[in-house]
Amino acid sequence: GAGVSQSPRYKVAKRGQDVALRCDPISGHVSLFWYQQALGQGPEFLTYFQNEAQLDKSGLPSDRFFAERPEGSVSTLKIQRTQQEDSAVYLCASSFLGRDDNEQFFGPGTRLTVL
Amino acid sequence: AQSVAQPEDQVNVAEGNPLTVKCTYSVSGNPYLFWYVQYPNRGLQFLLKYITGDNLVKGSYGFEAEFNKSQTSFHLKKPSALVSDSALYFCAVSPYGNNRLAFGKGNQVVVIP
Repeated sequence: GAGVSQSPRYKVAKRGQDVALRCDPISGHVSLFWYQQALGQGPEFLTYFQNEAQLDKSGLPSDRFFAERPEGSVSTLKIQRTQQEDSAVYLCASSFLGRDDNEQFFGPGTRLTVL
Repeated sequence: AQSVAQPEDQVNVAEGNPLTVKCTYSVSGNPYLFWYVQYPNRGLQFLLKYITGDNLVKGSYGFEAEFNKSQTSFHLKKPSALVSDSALYFCAVSPYGNNRLAFGKGNQVVVIP
């Protein structure tokens, strides 16, 4: 059984470039989450989808960050005009039901480095 | 807002000795509590969770955790540590009715052969 997959695994961007990070959740999982993990820190919540609906985007740090899940499966996190402070590992997670007692299954992450 | 504290940066333990990783939390309402482990270049792996019921929760790889409401703690324990348990451990809390997880900063566990 395939787990959560993310691509690319590593991304280097020049400051000011736009990037797009992809997440393929476990098939059938209703909920999808994005987290940002800075070096030496725990993951910080960015946004949450239930199917195609973005129910919580309160963790997105600025309007340069945008996430979508148009068909309720694959999700893309887009960062416009990247800044050095955006350098982090971006983690995607999915869970089976739209319930907060469900464990989240995490992908390996995309390490973004902004030069 | 919810928060998690993992007070120790690194926990060193000899192989075969008991392992404890500490976690305290702050949340309004009833908490859902989780432990995850992270190995290098790999995603977070779920270990165990507390939702309700028995305060002692058993999880993967021989780990267990005890929920203590009065002390707002959820310490992770393993009776006999293995070298392969060396990894980064994260405690997380999700308040009832809110799907977002709040993570602690993590504890590096080093098991010495």
